[in-house]
Amino acid sequence: KAGVTQTPRYLIKTRGQQVTLSCSPISGHRSVSWYQQTPGQGLQFLFEYFSETQRNKGNFPGRFSGRQFSNSRSEMNVSTLELGDSALYLCASSLRGQGLNTEAFFGQGTRLTVV
Amino acid sequence: DQQVKQNSPSLSVQEGRISILNCDYTNSMFDYFLWYKKYPAEGPTFLISISSIKDKNEDGRFTVFLNKSAKHLSLHIVPSQPGDSAVYFCAVRGGGGADGLTFGKGTHLIIQP
Repeated sequence: KAGVTQTPRYLIKTRGQQVTLSCSPISGHRSVSWYQQTPGQGLQFLFEYFSETQRNKGNFPGRFSGRQFSNSRSEMNVSTLELGDSALYLCASSLRGQGLNTEAFFGQGTRLTVV
Repeated sequence: DQQVKQNSPSLSVQEGRISILNCDYTNSMFDYFLWYKKYPAEGPTFLISISSIKDKNEDGRFTVFLNKSAKHLSLHIVPSQPGDSAVYFCAVRGGGGADGLTFGKGTHLIIQP
């Protein structure tokens, strides 16, 4: 069974630009979550989508947004990029439905560098 | 304020010995606890989890212990192997059905031959 696929793996953007990252979850998984990893802050939760609806959101500004499609694939968008947005962006999928506890499986991440 | 704390940024253990990684949390409402392992340039890999209704879960060389009264979680790896060298994150999930995980900042485990 294929794992979580994130594209692209690496990206370089300039300040002020916007960027879209893509995540394909494991087949059959309906929940997709996004995380930002930086050396200083560790792994921080951005948001979670389930059945095309944002179900949970972390403490990030409105420049960070996402969506999920009917096939469970998800995209994350960051507008007006800042230098501090340079990070590894990780996507995780899980089978979990409401009230169930299952582990999340992570992709390899997209390394975004803002210059 | 950090809700999940891993107070040891790094830990060095001799091959064959036991590795003990610790994690403290602040919110007694957290109901599910997980450990992830991460190699450089890869996403975290799920290791083991435990529900708040249990105090121990074992999977091969990995055992997770949960002390709810102390709000403390630990991961034991025995015996430690060179391939265990990685960064280990503990993560918690709150009740209410949301999937967002709150992670600690990680502990870099180094297994020495």
